Amino acid sequence: AQSVTQPDIHITVSEGASLELRCNYSYGATPYLFWYVQSPGQGLQLLLKYFSGDTLVQGIKGFEAEFKRSQSSFNLRKPSVHWSDAAEYFCAVGAQWDSSASKIIFGSGTRLSIRP
Amino acid sequence: NAGVTQTPKFQVLKTGQSMTLQCAQDMNHNSMYWYRQDPGMGLRLIYYSASEGTTDKGEVPNGYNVSRLNKREFSLRLESAAPSQTSVYFCASSGRGFDEQYFGPGTRLTVT
Repeated sequence: AQSVTQPDIHITVSEGASLELRCNYSYGATPYLFWYVQSPGQGLQLLLKYFSGDTLVQGIKGFEAEFKRSQSSFNLRKPSVHWSDAAEYFCAVGAQWDSSASKIIFGSGTRLSIRP
Repeated sequence: NAGVTQTPKFQVLKTGQSMTLQCAQDMNHNSMYWYRQDPGMGLRLIYYSASEGTTDKGEVPNGYNVSRLNKREFSLRLESAAPSQTSVYFCASSGRGFDEQYFGPGTRLTVT
């Protein structure tokens, strides 16, 4: 069955430090992969997505992610975090639901706190 | 262009009451979805509609019904609310199944 694992429930980093959020997926075929961000009290916003091609994808707000097929990973990175990056981050994989439909499966999320 | 809108933003129900959550999108998307978000569990799919006129169950459909009223609107109904349905509910839409999904702002529902 398809699944997404985000092993870190909560991470705290200092403002200006680099960030890496981990994501591992389980999916038999070539995956469609996403990272979403959710600010407090808000809906989810897409940061970036990978469908095919270059395994390093750039997103909004200075984020990037690298698809590593051999490790079944799609980790999110940012070289220097800002206080406004404090939010919850969700990794997701596109999966076939049945013969006529597809859906996105979300990980349980990683909450990012920024230390001043 | 409002994107995905949801009403209401907040709701408190007593056990056994019914209510309908409304969702509308103005992006001409074919697919629409209802999720619930609970602490530590990410988003779980309740129901989805791959296209106008079709609806299907997701991972956690029990206790809910949906209606795809037209291409724009997709409503979620709780016929007899239970405390286990206390959650934040998100509606989303996408052009095709694997496309990115666009989310509404959510409805925070408390059932006492």
